[in-house]
Amino acid sequence: EVQLVESGGGLVQPGRSLRLSCAASGFTFDDYAMHWVRQAPGKGLEWVSGISWNSGSIGYADSMKGRFTISRDNAKKSLYLQMNSLRAEDTALYYCVKDKHFILTGGTFDYWGQGTLVTVSS
Amino acid sequence: QSALTQPASVSGSPGQSITISCTGTSSDIGGYDYVSWYQQHPGKAPKLMIYDVSNRPSGVSDRFSGSKSGNTASLTISGLQAEDEADYYCSSYTSSSTLRVFGGGTKLTVL
Repeated sequence: EVQLVESGGGLVQPGRSLRLSCAASGFTFDDYAMHWVRQAPGKGLEWVSGISWNSGSIGYADSMKGRFTISRDNAKKSLYLQMNSLRAEDTALYYCVKDKHFILTGGTFDYWGQGTLVTVSS
Repeated sequence: QSALTQPASVSGSPGQSITISCTGTSSDIGGYDYVSWYQQHPGKAPKLMIYDVSNRPSGVSDRFSGSKSGNTASLTISGLQAEDEADYYCSSYTSSSTLRVFGGGTKLTVL
């Protein structure tokens, strides 16, 4: 059974940093691209970032470029999101998402974690 | 404002069929067959319902079907059931620097 368990969320002040983690199990982690998708309270889904199976290809939503950094450790079956210069509008539930493919072209999100909540507020 | 446009809400009675549209551009929906649809019940994580325009993952009811014409994709649910009441999101690969885009979501109400 595929399992994706996010951690690292919490309350943080504007301008500070936070690192999210996602522990994967139940599939061959290094065979698939992975993504972060977020959902602000009461709002829709927003793609944040994606990384190919071997970290050779990485992409970010325009509003996150320069502030967020995605990475993965295939040996640890883990996905990460380093978030710097956080803003109030970054407040959201952040989902760790498995891609159906190993590269970023395409984009089918076939398994989702339960999310970790990030609240940016003073 | 979302990159893909969906109706805010649709409704139907049990047993009926409904269709949710998702309109983009030639840079996303119109340019690639990488449209997917997700169902989200309140307080739950999204679930993949359709991928690559019209393919159903294993375990998804054949009452769900997808199609595409030009820059618009559609999700059709036939034989509506109470448990289909949820939010539905479309998503597409895009040639823009943001590789993935979502629609704003459609709330389906089963009357």
